[in-house]
Order: sequence, then structure tokens, then C-alpha cells
Amino acid sequence: NAGVMQNPRHLVRRRGQEARLRCSPMKGHSHVYWYRQLPEEGLKFMVYLQKENIIDESGMPKERFSAEFPKEGPSILRIQQVVRGDSAAYFCASSPRSGRRTGELFFGEGSRLTVL
Amino acid sequence: GENVEQHPSTLSVQEGDSAVIKCTYSDSASNYFPWYKQELGKGPQLIIDIRSNVGEKKDQRIAVTLNKTAKHFSLHITETQPEDSAVYFCAASKEDKLSFGAGTTVTVRA
Repeated sequence: NAGVMQNPRHLVRRRGQEARLRCSPMKGHSHVYWYRQLPEEGLKFMVYLQKENIIDESGMPKERFSAEFPKEGPSILRIQQVVRGDSAAYFCASSPRSGRRTGELFFGEGSRLTVL
Repeated sequence: GENVEQHPSTLSVQEGDSAVIKCTYSDSASNYFPWYKQELGKGPQLIIDIRSNVGEKKDQRIAVTLNKTAKHFSLHITETQPEDSAVYFCAASKEDKLSFGAGTTVTVRA
């Protein structure tokens, strides 16, 4: 049973370009979370999605960042017009649980974005 | 929102000794407290978790304690081994999203 798959593992962009990060959850999981990790810091919640729905985007920057989890295909975190401060590791996690009872999150290996 | 503080930020222990990491949280409604281990270049992996109806949980060399009144919880690793070297994160949640501490870098000296 494959784990959470993220790609690309490493992405280099120049300032002003767009970055697209993809996440395929574990089989049978319909809940996806995106977290951002700056160097030597903890993971900061960005957004929580279920299929075709954004449940909680309270951690997303108001501009340039968007996320989706379509009916078919992976979840995508999109960063437009990247700036150097966007350089970080972006982790996706999935969970099988529904409702309000929090359960274990299964994390992917992360996508490391470097903005030149 | 939930605020989780974690101490210490770095911890160096001799192989065979114990390691203790402490976390505090701010939201008394939080009811789920997992601990994750992250190795270099990898994603975090759950090592143990505890819910608010339990005060202590143990799994081999790893134990977690929870004090709901004081709003703090701790991770204890006994008989540390070199493979325990990693970054450890505590987290707290009351609903659907986890709030993480800043992490503790544990180094086990051989």
C-alpha cells in the first residue's frame, strides 16, 4: 500500500514564476492537509481539503496561494509569483477519518521549494 | 487558535540514557496529542499519540504523559539508541487540524 506521494521532491523557481506541488493521498484517504516547514522550524498548517471542498484554509496566505483537491487526481498546492520567502519544505498529509475526531496524519516526504 | 510550545529545542544524550521532551498547549479544548519523528530529508512519522481521556501511554521504549489541568504533555524515550537521533515534534488538536511545536533535535552520542 503506497504511502502519501508528493512530487516534485525538489523544485527550483525564479522570483515571479509559478510553483505547483502535487500530492496523492494514501489509498482510501479522502482528507488532505498541507503544511509548510521553514528551516529549523515546526510545521505550520496551511489548508485542509476533502474531495472538491476546502474545509479550512485559515493558514493560507491571502494572496498568491491556492489549493485544490479535485474529484479525480492529486491535490495541488499552487503558488503564483513566488518570492524568496516562499522557499520552504511543503508537506502533504492524508487521513482516512471523517467528522471532528482527529486521527493520525500520514505525511509524504515533502516538496522542497527553492526560490532564486 | 492553538499555540504549542516545545522544549528543549536541542537535546544531546549518551546512548542508553533517557530523553525527555516537554510541550505545553493553550487551548483547553484540545483532546488529541501526537508525537512525530522526522529524520533528515524525510516526512514526519507518528511514533505515539494520546487522547485526553488517558493520562499515560507506553509503547516499548517510548512513553507519553498528559496533564490536562496544567495543559502539558511529555515524551519519554528510555534506553536511547543512535537510531533515535532525529527531530521530534509534539502536536495538539481539538478538531481536524494539528498545531505543531517547533521541534526538538535529539542527538544520541555513541
